[in-house]
Amino acid sequence: DAGVIQSPRHEVTEMGQEVTLRCKPISGHNSLFWYRQTMMRGLELLIYFNNNVPIDDSGMPEDRFSAKMPNASFSTLKIQPSEPRDSAVYFCASRFKQGGSYNEQFFGPGTRLTVL
Amino acid sequence: KQEVTQIPAALSVPEGENLVLNCSFTDSAIYNLQWFRQDPGKGLTSLLLIQSSQREQTSGRLNASLDKSSGRSTLYIAASQPGDSATYLCAVLPGYALNFGKGTSLLVTP
Repeated sequence: DAGVIQSPRHEVTEMGQEVTLRCKPISGHNSLFWYRQTMMRGLELLIYFNNNVPIDDSGMPEDRFSAKMPNASFSTLKIQPSEPRDSAVYFCASRFKQGGSYNEQFFGPGTRLTVL
Repeated sequence: KQEVTQIPAALSVPEGENLVLNCSFTDSAIYNLQWFRQDPGKGLTSLLLIQSSQREQTSGRLNASLDKSSGRSTLYIAASQPGDSATYLCAVLPGYALNFGKGTSLLVTP
């Protein structure tokens, strides 16, 4: 398996522009997570999907952020309009959840976003 | 809210030394704990997963222990090598998403 795939790997944009980050989870995984990593706050959960349904989006900073998972093999995180404080590394992770089991989460390589 | 603390924040050791990285968490109600490795500018690589019912896990030169009651985990690296240089992150699973520590930055010098 190719693992969790994210694109683009690097994104440089100007303040006010729309940014879309993409994620393809590992085939067969039914849980997907978006995390953000900054020097100040470390790694934090943004949103969690289970079976393509958003379960918890309480970590999404504000209305400028939105995430979708139209099918089991694709998810997007969109920032509109982007601001310099959104500069961070955004990670996508996936996991197979069955019943009450809590399996290992696998992370993608991340997207390094710089907003000028 | 679950707080995860990793000590030390940075560590430098000569090649060949055995070393211990520490992780503590404030709420013992967790499902599992994962140790990750992160290389500069790279993603997270899962090293070891310890379920809440387990006490330790081993993989090669790595051994991780878990003491839920005291809210502690340690990652033991035997016979360290320069290739072990990276940031090591500890994360606990209190629900469905991981809570991460800030990591320990390890440098192993030849």
